[in-house]
Amino acid sequence: GENVEQHPSTLSVQEGDSAVIKCTYSDSASNYFPWYKQELGKRPQLIIDIRSNVGEKKDQRIAVTLNKTAKHFSLHITETQPEDSAVYFCAATYEYGNKLVFGAGTILRVKS
Amino acid sequence: DGGITQSPKYLFRKEGQNVTLSCEQNLNHDAMYWYRQDPGQGLRLIYYSQIVNDFQKGDIAEGYSVSREKKESFPLTVTSAQKNPTAFYLCASNNGLRYNEQFFGPGTRLTVL
Repeated sequence: GENVEQHPSTLSVQEGDSAVIKCTYSDSASNYFPWYKQELGKRPQLIIDIRSNVGEKKDQRIAVTLNKTAKHFSLHITETQPEDSAVYFCAATYEYGNKLVFGAGTILRVKS
Repeated sequence: DGGITQSPKYLFRKEGQNVTLSCEQNLNHDAMYWYRQDPGQGLRLIYYSQIVNDFQKGDIAEGYSVSREKKESFPLTVTSAQKNPTAFYLCASNNGLRYNEQFFGPGTRLTVL
């Protein structure tokens, strides 16, 4: 079926440490994998995405890695800051790219 | 994402009433989506439309209806058949090309009294 599993559901880190969130998907045809950040009561905002022809992508303190063989991808945040505290969602395309299926989300808390 | 608006921001409904949530975009996007968000869960797809006058059911379409008469508008009606409608509803759009970013509206929080 169409499923994206996301772990962990909550993650607490000390300011300056790294945070890693992992997702797995079920459809080998999935080709696009975005990550969204959602602050309390706000809309989700895209922070980084990766396509299937790329294994890793970086944008300053944020990176995403993709392993298509194992059907999993991960978000890495380095040098975490209090403003990184939010809910993070991964997603994967299904139905040949016509829809996104989201993971359940990870609540990230960065303690100062 | 500032080109997508949803109204109202907060909505209260009595049990047994239908209610319509508005979603408008001025991004000239072909595709539009409705998601439902509950605490501790991800975004679940209700309906989506890739072109005017056409739409498809998502994963949790029961108790909801939509229309797509104009490219810029994709209203969602929550009917009395939806047994647990209290949730945060998000509208999104993209340019219709596969594997491209979805932009989200600010959301409508619906509470059934």
